[in-house]
Amino acid sequence: QVQLQESGPGLVKPSETLSLTCTVSAYSIRSGYYWGWIRQPPGKGLEWIGLIYRSGSTYYNSSLKSRVTIFVDTSKNQFSLKLSSVTAADTAVYYCARAAEYWGALDYWGQGTLVTVSS
Amino acid sequence: QSVLTQPPSVSGAPGQRVTISCTGSTSNIGAGFDVQWYQQLPGTAPKLLMYTNSNRPSGVPDRFSGSKSDTSASLAITGLQAEDEADYYCQSYDSSQGGYVFGTGTKVTVL
Repeated sequence: QVQLQESGPGLVKPSETLSLTCTVSAYSIRSGYYWGWIRQPPGKGLEWIGLIYRSGSTYYNSSLKSRVTIFVDTSKNQFSLKLSSVTAADTAVYYCARAAEYWGALDYWGQGTLVTVSS
Repeated sequence: QSVLTQPPSVSGAPGQRVTISCTGSTSNIGAGFDVQWYQQLPGTAPKLLMYTNSNRPSGVPDRFSGSKSDTSASLAITGLQAEDEADYYCQSYDSSQGGYVFGTGTKVTVL
């Protein structure tokens, strides 16, 4: 059973960079599929952040593109998210997920991690 | 920023049938891109409920069904059960935004 687990600081100061890592188990990122990040502000809906393929090709939400970087480390079977210049509006539960095909269904999700932006 | 519109809430008694609509446009559902549905139980991560419009992943009861027509899609739950009380989100690809888009979300309440 494929498992994804997010990790990273739960508190980030305004204007700093949010960094999260997703560790994948029971499936090698080298084998394929696409890997993504989605967030959900408290009490609100889901927002797609970005997607990466094993080759390193990336696709970002246009509204966040200037602040987002997603990269993959196949040796550790992980992929990571960096979001710069954060504000309180970036406070959310951040999920990592797998897409079985290009722009396909997100079939496996991590449990999510709450990141709060506050001084 | 959601480009897929859902009703904020729907409700029904146990055993009843409820439907959730997902209205998009010609740059997403109307362009032929597939629709997925996710179920999010309170305090948990979303779970894939329906993929490519009307296909259920293994383990999803056949009480759930999906359809798509023109610029919209629907999720139906027949024989509503207490365990179905959750938030439901539709999702597709949008060509003008160049990525995934999610619906506004619908809270299903079992009376």
